[in-house]
Amino acid sequence: EVQLVQSGAEVKKPGESLKISCKGSGHSFTTNWIGWVRQMPGKGLEWMGIIFPADSDTRYSPSFQGQVTISADKSISTAYLQWSSLRASDSAMYYCASPFGEPAWGQGTLVTVSS
Amino acid sequence: QSALTQPRSVSGSPGQSVTISCTGTSSDVGGHNYVSWYQQHPGKAPKLMIFDVNRRPSGVPDRFSGSKSGNTASLTISGLQAEDEADYYCSSYAGNYDVVFGGGTKLTVL
Repeated sequence: EVQLVQSGAEVKKPGESLKISCKGSGHSFTTNWIGWVRQMPGKGLEWMGIIFPADSDTRYSPSFQGQVTISADKSISTAYLQWSSLRASDSAMYYCASPFGEPAWGQGTLVTVSS
Repeated sequence: QSALTQPRSVSGSPGQSVTISCTGTSSDVGGHNYVSWYQQHPGKAPKLMIFDVNRRPSGVPDRFSGSKSGNTASLTISGLQAEDEADYYCSSYAGNYDVVFGGGTKLTVL
């Protein structure tokens, strides 16, 4: 079973870039698909996309294709979610999750984008 | 991918049972036995309650159970307790390493 620990909260301005991380522990990180989930304030869970760290095979939900980049560094068991130019509408809680088998989730990273 | 359909809210009195439905299609809920249910209290991360339709993670009370019939999955909570009041989300594998969530159901314990 993989355990996931995410990076801390971020406060950014519109137009800035950002990369948040999700570090896995346990021997199975590179052989588990790792996904990202958005939860906007007061709203439900939205699936953003997923990566297989062993070979960086990445799939995006159509709603998020082109809006974010998902990547991974298997040497340090870490997956990433990044934005090149943040907007206020990107303000949300972001969770990483290993959704298959017995699912595991990170604790969440709060991203606030405000001028 | 369309979201799975859940009732916006359900309610029950302590000790009663409630069931939350989650309706999808043959491409997600109906086509795979990979439905999960999450409990989320305000300000907290989602907590896994059920996976693979009806399996409980270690530590989840057996008051929580899951089932599936056709394109509809269900979460049943028996012996309702005050601490069960939360939002509940279903999710399903939708093929091609895609996952889809339900819109969430607010459970109120009267």
